[in-house]
Amino acid sequence: QVHLVESGGGVVQPGRSLRVSCEVSGFNLSSYGLHWVRQAPGKGLEWVAVIWFDGIKRYYADSVKGRFTISRDNSKKTVDLQMDSLRAEDTAVYFCAREWDRGSYIFDYWGQGTVVTVSS
Amino acid sequence: DIVMTQSPDSLPVSLGERAAINCKSSQTILYNSNNKNYLAWYQQKPGQPPKLLIYWASTRESGVPDRFSGSGSGSDFTLSISSLQAEDVAVYYCQQYYSIPPTFGQGTKVEIK
Repeated sequence: QVHLVESGGGVVQPGRSLRVSCEVSGFNLSSYGLHWVRQAPGKGLEWVAVIWFDGIKRYYADSVKGRFTISRDNSKKTVDLQMDSLRAEDTAVYFCAREWDRGSYIFDYWGQGTVVTVSS
Repeated sequence: DIVMTQSPDSLPVSLGERAAINCKSSQTILYNSNNKNYLAWYQQKPGQPPKLLIYWASTRESGVPDRFSGSGSGSDFTLSISSLQAEDVAVYYCQQYYSIPPTFGQGTKVEIK
């Protein structure tokens, strides 16, 4: 059974850093791209970043480019999102999501999310 | 970026009645080489992550009830619920995956009238 579990969320001051993690089970992580998608309180969905199955290709939303870094460790079955220079507008629930097929950007399994609050 | 616009924002529907949600993309998301529309629909219930319902505009994900159907092509799409059930109360999002970044509509809240 496919599972994705996020962790690492919390309250952080503007300008500081936070690292959230997604641990997966029930499938071979090395065969799939993993994405982060966020949802600000009461708002819609915003795609944040992807790391391809090969771990080489990584793409980011313009709103986080240069501040966020996605990485993966297939041996640990985790995908991390390092978030630096955090802003109030980064406050959101952060979901990790598996893509249905390589490079498809269709999200077939999602975690429950981890809450990140950026506030002084 | 491709902008996805859904209508309406809120949709009250009586139990057993049909619900229809529209989604329009700012440019075509039909890829001519394979004749596929790069559009997905998701359902999100309160406190839960989104759930994939439909992809390629009209292909139902495994396990999704057949009262859910998707239609449309090019830049205009519709998600239909043929007979609304109480468990269908949720926010529905369309998403294009034609180009990076993938983008979502603002969401349509379906509720019981």
